[in-house]
Amino acid sequence: EAQVTQNPRYLITVTGKKLTVTCSQNMNHEYMSWYRQDPGLGLRQIYYSMNVEVTDKGDVPEGYKVSRKEKRNFPLILESPSPNQTSLYFCASSARGEGTQYFGPGTRLLVL
Amino acid sequence: GENVEQHPSTLSVQEGDSAVIKCTYSDSASNYFPWYKQELGKGPQLIIDIRSNVGEKKDQRIAVTLNKTAKHFSLHITETQPEDSAVYFCAASTDSNYQLIWGAGTKLIIKP
Repeated sequence: EAQVTQNPRYLITVTGKKLTVTCSQNMNHEYMSWYRQDPGLGLRQIYYSMNVEVTDKGDVPEGYKVSRKEKRNFPLILESPSPNQTSLYFCASSARGEGTQYFGPGTRLLVL
Repeated sequence: GENVEQHPSTLSVQEGDSAVIKCTYSDSASNYFPWYKQELGKGPQLIIDIRSNVGEKKDQRIAVTLNKTAKHFSLHITETQPEDSAVYFCAASTDSNYQLIWGAGTKLIIKP
């Protein structure tokens, strides 16, 4: 089944404790992206990647890191999480030449 | 940069009635306009899209119209059903791939 998976789905952590949210897609897509969703603010892009070893900042990259060492994986790293990073996070992927972005199920993060 | 405005933020309609959600975009170079539906607890999923060389596209009960001159596009849902209750996002892109500029979302409530 074609899908984007994210782990964990739910995470409660404390300020300053490094965490990684994994994202994996099995559709051989070149493009991958991370979004955060907050009430009233819609979807805001954090980072995106056009292909392996190519990453770029989105609209709200501060406090986040990403890497794209393999085509299928695009982990989101929070080196020192803060309460303002409490949010719902989505990973998405897309094939070159197609408009459709396929979204993962989301990761709900709470930073205390 | 590109901006997409979406209205209304909340829409409540009686089951069986029609619902219309409107978006405006700022970049006249935009040529791809998808609509996504996000059900509770899930990631957004593409429901219909339109490219700038077409004025209208229909898929069963949903349709999208595009007015390039006015830089407006709209989602129309006819004969609404309870399962249409969700958050709907519009987006725009200057390419049919990769970077999407998102509207803030519309929460559609179908009243029984």
